[in-house]
Amino acid sequence: DAKTTQPPSMDCAEGRAANLPCNHSTISGNEYVYWYRQIHSQGPQYIIHGLKNNETNEMASLIITEDRKSSTLILPHATLRDTAVYYCIVRVRNNFNKFYFGSGTKLNVKP
Amino acid sequence: EAGVAQSPRYKIIEKRQSVAFWCNPISGHATLYWYQQILGQGPKLLIQFQNNGVVDDSQLPKDRFSAERLKGVDSTLKIQPAKLEDSAVYLCASSLVQDTIYFGEGSWLTVV
Repeated sequence: DAKTTQPPSMDCAEGRAANLPCNHSTISGNEYVYWYRQIHSQGPQYIIHGLKNNETNEMASLIITEDRKSSTLILPHATLRDTAVYYCIVRVRNNFNKFYFGSGTKLNVKP
Repeated sequence: EAGVAQSPRYKIIEKRQSVAFWCNPISGHATLYWYQQILGQGPKLLIQFQNNGVVDDSQLPKDRFSAERLKGVDSTLKIQPAKLEDSAVYLCASSLVQDTIYFGEGSWLTVV
């Protein structure tokens, strides 16, 4: 299973872009990168996922390097409500849809 | 569209007692997951069902934990007897086959 490495914590000023890095150097060619976030006392919330190309939705942008060994989740204008733990996951692609979570990055958005 | 429903939301029991958690997945989702999340850690997969069959229960402590998914829809996770270290949030999630998983709000268990 491809493992991911994330910094344990990051700070970001409110209104600025938050850039959360993730390393997944052992990712296979057909494995997706997923991002979830978890606000205290809630279940993890899906944010975005991608395979090779950069992706954007109403919540965030996902930038995947050309060699696919790392990715960055971008929250373009962070708000206090974006304070949460962000998980980067490589989805194991076989007959069963497995998602393994690491420890994630605690993002602290400060006024 | 209704999300993943879980109950109870909170439960406090004494050690050696039993507890059961219920999960109703998103309609049409064939795959159902139970995760355990201890405070300060990421969720750990306990068991995964596809329809009503188990596809992975390698991390489930089978001497005290059991789970079933009758008729391939709702699922129940039981702990008997509970230990102090079982204090955690129990998260249920569901997905279509080979697709994004969606989580419920979780069931918080405190064992005293």
